[in-house]
Amino acid sequence: GAGVSQSPRYKVAKRGQDVALRCDPISGHVSLFWYQQALGQGPEFLTYFQNEAQLDKSGLPSDRFFAERPEGSVSTLKIQRTQQEDSAVYLCASSRGPQNTEAFFGQGTRLTVV
Amino acid sequence: AQTVTQSQPEMSVQEAETVTLSCTYDTSESDYYLFWYKQPPSRQMILVIRQEAYKQQNATENRFSVNFQKAAKSFSLKISDSQLGDAAMYFCAYRSKVNYGGSQGNLIFGKGTKLSVKP
Repeated sequence: GAGVSQSPRYKVAKRGQDVALRCDPISGHVSLFWYQQALGQGPEFLTYFQNEAQLDKSGLPSDRFFAERPEGSVSTLKIQRTQQEDSAVYLCASSRGPQNTEAFFGQGTRLTVV
Repeated sequence: AQTVTQSQPEMSVQEAETVTLSCTYDTSESDYYLFWYKQPPSRQMILVIRQEAYKQQNATENRFSVNFQKAAKSFSLKISDSQLGDAAMYFCAYRSKVNYGGSQGNLIFGKGTKLSVKP
């Protein structure tokens, strides 16, 4: 596609439910990032992939968060046993490679945990 | 660890006027990148302008320009001839050039400034 695509755009989950958020990066982009943006805050880094390799997961807030990119293109961010503090917008970004400074962002998924 | 601070939660400007958004950052690195991103209600982050720290010349992109003061660790954004479409959240962001343990280029964002444009 022409840009980074994320789905769903909105997700409401009951506390304790598992959710999966999808990111489809720009075709051919090697680098993929996930960010979490709480209400009224700037995005915060969660994890980074270079192709299928997850090189940095230092921003994942707990072991309930898990991300994968098995074939080096589409990525999924999974949150198990969701809690109210997980409510946020989850943004995905991709870039051509590690040396490229321009990251292209998707429109994010707004997750609300009730 | 690097930090980015935006001290203006909200700003307002009259259409066709000029506005400056402030950003300061903290780092011990000597070379890095700085960015301004625009986030409209659609939530998609759009790159407005970027600056490499080793370049002394301030970056400009049409109506957008920066005032980069490396010693003061300041990176302000000036929007000239403001338009209604400029209304959005604006985020200042930092990116290291150094590869720490596999991390390649994640952005560190400030909390943002909400810009309103009055007709």
